[in-house]
Amino acid sequence: GQQLNQSPQSMFIQEGEDVSMNCTSSSIFNTWLWYKQDPGEGPVLLIALYKAGELTSNGRLTAQFGITRKDSFLNISASIPSDVGIYFCAGPTSGTYKYIFGTGTRLKVLA
Amino acid sequence: NAGVMQNPRHLVRRRGQEARLRCSPMKGHSHVYWYRQLPEEGLKFMVYLQKENIIDESGMPKERFSAEFPKEGPSILRIQQVVRGDSAAYFCASSPTNWGQGAGQPQHFGDGTRLSIL
Repeated sequence: GQQLNQSPQSMFIQEGEDVSMNCTSSSIFNTWLWYKQDPGEGPVLLIALYKAGELTSNGRLTAQFGITRKDSFLNISASIPSDVGIYFCAGPTSGTYKYIFGTGTRLKVLA
Repeated sequence: NAGVMQNPRHLVRRRGQEARLRCSPMKGHSHVYWYRQLPEEGLKFMVYLQKENIIDESGMPKERFSAEFPKEGPSILRIQQVVRGDSAAYFCASSPTNWGQGAGQPQHFGDGTRLSIL
């Protein structure tokens, strides 16, 4: 079945650094979504991407929908301590509403 | 996450008891989805409902689990005769009513119910 693999699995960075993470799939997705999950809470939508090649920003976050439609990237600029959490990519399986979630990237920011 | 309301936030049950998890979608949303998350993993789809209809329950175990979304009131995920393996965080999400088939419209999540089985 469809799977979403995220890398890196986890990362420690210094406050102020830029962060990059990606999500790849063996099959095509028509929508890519990036969520952040804090401990004890539900995922919060950060960015939604609907078109191959699309580049969308939300404050310090920028995400891109890969042109092959099999990958997506999320960048965080000038990280701050509250960026700590787990970042998930997700997308609906082909032609359906069922979201598949990636394996997650755990971000820890060192002040 | 305040838009999608789930309760209780934490639920403790003994093996063999029943667990009922409730979800009120965001205002104006009539599509509800339930997911399960095990520690250190992503969310796994369980069931998709619209008012008074189960659209897709392919991700839900065939036995002991059921879901409903009545005309009035919240959506309910019910787990009968719970076992230790049911311990997980259960999340509800909702999406807008008027967005085509809903496939590409973002789902918004509640803060989940953390179910612990003793």
